[in-house]
Formats: sequence, C-alpha cells, structure tokens
Amino acid sequence: QSVLTQPPSVSGAPGQRVTISCTGSSSNLGAGYDVHWYQQLPGTAPKLLIYGNTHRPSGVPDRFSGSKSGTSASLAITGLQAEDEADYYCQSYDSSPYVFGTGTKVTVL
Amino acid sequence: QVQLQESGPGLVKPSQTLSLTCTVSGGSINTDSYFWNWIRQPAGKGLEWIGRISTSGSTNYNPSLKSRVTISVDTSKNQFSLKLRSVTAADTAVYYCARAPTLLVEPTAIVGSFDVWGQGTMVTVSS
Repeated sequence: QSVLTQPPSVSGAPGQRVTISCTGSSSNLGAGYDVHWYQQLPGTAPKLLIYGNTHRPSGVPDRFSGSKSGTSASLAITGLQAEDEADYYCQSYDSSPYVFGTGTKVTVL
Repeated sequence: QVQLQESGPGLVKPSQTLSLTCTVSGGSINTDSYFWNWIRQPAGKGLEWIGRISTSGSTNYNPSLKSRVTISVDTSKNQFSLKLRSVTAADTAVYYCARAPTLLVEPTAIVGSFDVWGQGTMVTVSS
C-alpha cells in the first residue's frame, strides 16, 4: 500500500547519470515532509543514502544527490558504477506515520 | 557504533503468533533520542513499516496491521520486541528492526529517517 510511487527500473552505462523519481501527494511530500533515500544491495539490509532531501551521511559518495520540489523528489547518481547496482527506496512521513516508495531497481549495463 | 540484531523463530505456523526480538548493542536503548521500529519486506517486494516504540513505551502502528501487532521494549535487556498475531502466508517476509532519530538528534534533517538497520531475519509462515 505504498503511497510514494517510483519507476520499477532504471538503467545506465558505467559513467552515465541516472535519476530516480519519487512521487507523493499533499499528505506527505506536499505537506512539507522531508524525503529520505535508501540503497539496498542484493541480499542485504537497506542503508540510509540521503536524508533530509539533500544530505549525505558520512561515507556516502558525492555522486549520489537528492532533491525535492512540491510533491516529488529525485535521487541522482552521476558517474554510475557497477557497485551502484541495487534497489533504491524513497521514504517520507505521512499519517501512518512512515511510508516507503515502491522501489526502483538500478541496472548498470 | 550502534548495531541492531534481530532474533526469533524462522518458521511460524498459520494462525499462530510471530515473535521477534531486536537487541541493541554499542549504545543504550533507553534514550528519548530515538524511536525503535520494525519493518518488513516480502521476497521480491518493497518495504513496509510495521510500527515503532519509544523507551517511554509509546507506540504507533501501521493501520493495516494495527489489530494484530504489539511492540514492547525491555530497557534492562536493551531490547525491543514484535508480536504479530494470527499470521498467514502473507506475513512471510524478512523482518528488520531499525532506529529512527527524533527531534532531539542533530542534524534535525535526519529526523524521520531510519539511520541504523539490523541485518534482517527471514520468517516463513507455513504448516
């Protein structure tokens, strides 16, 4: 029952830039709540990648960046690397109170 | 640094109660700075937030699961636990425990996120 919508998959060649969208509504992103992003490598737990729309935790490479505007948010990966092949999830606050995006699989060609 | 570790049975029969525990190490669970959460992920599917507890015992649950879920905390053992009643095959998933910063944590931009996760434990509901 995810209320944040992401594309199922995106792909790119090594070195390219890919973006993942996260579309919400007036009850979550549109209400001003921050969006957070997670990277889930195969067989592992999700890891916080971006918090507070644009901030990277210590140790996250600067090729990952986030943005938010209105009811939408985006995660960009520049200089795509083979190790970036993973599932990515957005997450925000809602009435639940937490909601996740539907998830996007990034494939490095 | 703080680490979380889930534990509990990997197999539960239909209609029974799923019980899991998350042990917090490297820091105290007894702080107002964090909520302690359960999140699950069916195989090949997305993440679903189950519920959270503060160390004062205040809880919030996903409305879709609220009638079947209880989360509790034992500060003396540095643990918090999940009970999910009347399980069916649809409850088969990897269950994660995770920490969520409150407004007492800096930077405040991290509030509302899940900054530390356990490795997850697979629970299968089957007879």
